[in-house]
Amino acid sequence: QSALTQPPSASGSPGQSVTISCTGTGSDVGGYNYVSWYQQHPGKAPKFMIYDVSKRPSGVPDRFSGSKSGNTASLTVSGLQAEDEADYYCTSYAGSNNLVFGGGTKLTVL
Amino acid sequence: QVQLVQSGAEVKKPEASVKVSCKASGYTFNYISYYMHWVRQAPGQGLEWMGIIHPSSGSTTYARKFQGRVTLTRDTSTSTVYMELSSLTSEDTAVYYCARGGTTMISDYWGQGTLVTVSS
Repeated sequence: QSALTQPPSASGSPGQSVTISCTGTGSDVGGYNYVSWYQQHPGKAPKFMIYDVSKRPSGVPDRFSGSKSGNTASLTVSGLQAEDEADYYCTSYAGSNNLVFGGGTKLTVL
Repeated sequence: QVQLVQSGAEVKKPEASVKVSCKASGYTFNYISYYMHWVRQAPGQGLEWMGIIHPSSGSTTYARKFQGRVTLTRDTSTSTVYMELSSLTSEDTAVYYCARGGTTMISDYWGQGTLVTVSS
């Protein structure tokens, strides 16, 4: 159960798009279509942004989208806004009721 | 509305144990599709999944890292789940969260977090 690999940081200017990757193995990301993404602002609990690779819970703007290819999942934030500046975490189902998180990516809006 | 309310901050000495509670309200606690996850976050660090309990059946799964040291239990009469972590070290200093979900994901209902500080 090794943590999924995310880049430590990402950045973009307002209005631009940014993509955050999340790399695992065939035992987690590659083996199941159960990747979720969470947004966390400082001092707050995480917020559910994407589930089942690409589905958005109600209330999440369609600027947020998810995808997966092989062992790597991605979160794309389009039309960057100042309030998108936060930490983003991926998680994947890893079989036998186990989940594994990524190390997190700090998104900076320039 | 769904709420998960956790117990307050704790300060523990090394080698002690801590038990954190998470009281659920606003939904059917032991509905078959709902599970409760526990996630922790050390200061300045990322999220770490610890384990999952099925309130309906009481079945549990623990992350390999915590097996033998963590115990998840539930009390259906009070809609409360508990996380007990033993043999504490300074590396267990973290905010501990409970969060509702299914087996394949954690959804949008999280507790407020409980800070556990381990210090001699």
